[in-house]
Amino acid sequence: DGGITQSPKYLFRKEGQNVTLSCEQNLNHDAMYWYRQDPGQGLRLIYYSQIVNDFQKGDIAEGYSVSREKKESFPLTVTSAQKNPTAFYLCASSMTSSGNTIYFGEGSWLTVV
Amino acid sequence: GNSVTQMEGPVTLSEEAFLTINCTYTATGYPSLFWYVQYPGEGLQLLLKATKADDKGSNKGFEATYRKETTSFHLEKGSVQVSDSAVYFCALSDPGRGSTLGRLYFGRGTQLTVWP
Repeated sequence: DGGITQSPKYLFRKEGQNVTLSCEQNLNHDAMYWYRQDPGQGLRLIYYSQIVNDFQKGDIAEGYSVSREKKESFPLTVTSAQKNPTAFYLCASSMTSSGNTIYFGEGSWLTVV
Repeated sequence: GNSVTQMEGPVTLSEEAFLTINCTYTATGYPSLFWYVQYPGEGLQLLLKATKADDKGSNKGFEATYRKETTSFHLEKGSVQVSDSAVYFCALSDPGRGSTLGRLYFGRGTQLTVWP
């Protein structure tokens, strides 16, 4: 089945550690996105990528890094510089970055302990 | 800039009641408008969308009409069910200039709970 796969679903991290969240899509979409969701705040854009080997910062990129070496993959690293990393992270993709419908993965819960 | 304001929740209704969740927006260009739904512990699913003024998006009994004159995209359903309990997000995608093409701007979400 076509879709967006995020892993792991649940992740615990100790303070000071980096962690990488995986996002893979087999929809042949050009654009991919990472959003962060906190209770009562909606979704905020962390990073997005319109094509392979290119990506741009969103509204809250500090403490995060991404790569886009393959069209189908857009991993997100939450670094130790992110002050409040506990959140629900959503990966998304779209056919092009021209306003087409954006589809979401199931999300990854990150908890810092 | 671009922003979305939606009705704050939580909204609690009895089964078969009429639902309205208000959504208004500001945009620099001519946005596409979306409603997404999120069930507990899951990602977001597209519920409906409209890409130009006066378009009506509809799906699963939900409807929303793109009103440019009032910059609104209110979500309605004539008779809600328990299974409609979820968080609903209004969003816009502004196909404007530069490198921000295609990104979504979200409202804060409205929690809907439907009781039998």
